Amino acid sequence: GAVVSQHPSWVICKSGTSVKIECRSLDFQATTMFWYRQFPKQSLMLMATSNEGSKATYEQGVEKDKFLINHASLTLSTLTVTSAHPEDSSFYICSARLPRRGSTDTQYFGPGTRLTVL
Amino acid sequence: GDSVTQMEGPVTLSEEAFLTINCTYTATGYPSLFWYVQYPGEGLQLLLKATKADDKGSNKGFEATYRKETTSFHLEKGSVQVSDSAVYFCALSGGNNAGNMLTFGGGTRLMVKP
Repeated sequence: GAVVSQHPSWVICKSGTSVKIECRSLDFQATTMFWYRQFPKQSLMLMATSNEGSKATYEQGVEKDKFLINHASLTLSTLTVTSAHPEDSSFYICSARLPRRGSTDTQYFGPGTRLTVL
Repeated sequence: GDSVTQMEGPVTLSEEAFLTINCTYTATGYPSLFWYVQYPGEGLQLLLKATKADDKGSNKGFEATYRKETTSFHLEKGSVQVSDSAVYFCALSGGNNAGNMLTFGGGTRLMVKP
């Protein structure tokens, strides 16, 4: 259980185009999902917290108009990179929080989406 | 704020060697501690966790004990395999951070040679 999927797994696009990445919790409902960015050989950087039915909370330094997040249902959050440029090329990873009564919530991660902007 | 510090890699070991990856943390309150593993080209997978002091998390031969007195959560495995080659991330949640956000260490790359 607690499987999170991402689609697509790899996308190559031209500079100036917009790219949408989907994150789905397959077997549980997630009121909260997180979006991370990972540069080569580096740790994960939290970009934003996505809450179902409300606006996402962005970390300092992350442009909310460039990285649009929508959490329309309890099993789906989307990240849209608008007007992508080569510097946006990165590995984007989402996670979904599985709440557990009487225990610590645990985040389960998707497999990641590699974005390459030409 | 909360922080996690891991030993820098890469760590290169021969198969069946003993593994230790050090992890220390800074946080107020009583955070939960995690180890995640990332295989090449993949996302993160939860390896093990511990939610309170002296708890030991274990999975797939890996172990880590929550040591509040030394603020540490070192990852150990008695006999590594080539298939354990990956990047390992130590993380915490529930310290200063609200909403169970995870704070990650920098990651430690493990390479196991046959």
